Amino acid sequence: DAGITQSPRYKITETGRQVTLMCHQTWSHSYMFWYRQDLGHGLRLIYYSAAADITDKGEVPDGYVVSRSKTENFPLTLESATRSQTSVYFCASSGTMNQPQHFGDGTRLSIL
Amino acid sequence: GQQVMQIPQYQHVQEGEDFTTYCNSSTTLSNIQWYKQRPGGHPVFLIQLVKSGEVKKQKRLTFQFGEAKKNSSLHITATQTTDVGTYFCAGPGRPGGYNKLIFGAGTRLAVHP
Repeated sequence: DAGITQSPRYKITETGRQVTLMCHQTWSHSYMFWYRQDLGHGLRLIYYSAAADITDKGEVPDGYVVSRSKTENFPLTLESATRSQTSVYFCASSGTMNQPQHFGDGTRLSIL
Repeated sequence: GQQVMQIPQYQHVQEGEDFTTYCNSSTTLSNIQWYKQRPGGHPVFLIQLVKSGEVKKQKRLTFQFGEAKKNSSLHITATQTTDVGTYFCAGPGRPGGYNKLIFGAGTRLAVHP
């Protein structure tokens, strides 16, 4: 979907480093989500946001920080990366909590 | 906490065979959504079911929502190689429906020509 973009698409970093994954949407959707996808676990929610300056934890929030100063942006930061955070990260947005979610192309993150 | 379970985890079929994946929730769902993820791609919304016993069709895909609104299924008739991917169901995190989606682990479909 052209309306939601993630960057970078690929990232390799080392343990202990700080990493920020970016997410930008052009639909003015209220809700934005961050998921991680690992084999055998499907999509697990890390954090979500209902509007600018409103964020809440999902299923697996430990080790991650989010912010949402503007409606269109929802960056995800790994403050001190660990190998267990190697994963594919997807950002998504929707108009309301229960409306269909539109996903970005994902960021494949490897932590060495 | 609430769980959304999908079976099977993986299925491979010959092109032209039918395929079904099942989704079961530990609690009643106000609605259920289905997504498809192609290999290397991102999840793409397919459909949302809301009513008890609802059946919806999209060409060769048939989606059902159980009478008790705790289970759902996706059936593909006469699979094609373009059907390859992982199919996820997702439902709201608690009864009443106004909470974040919980995704099942997905069913990965392989289609052999």
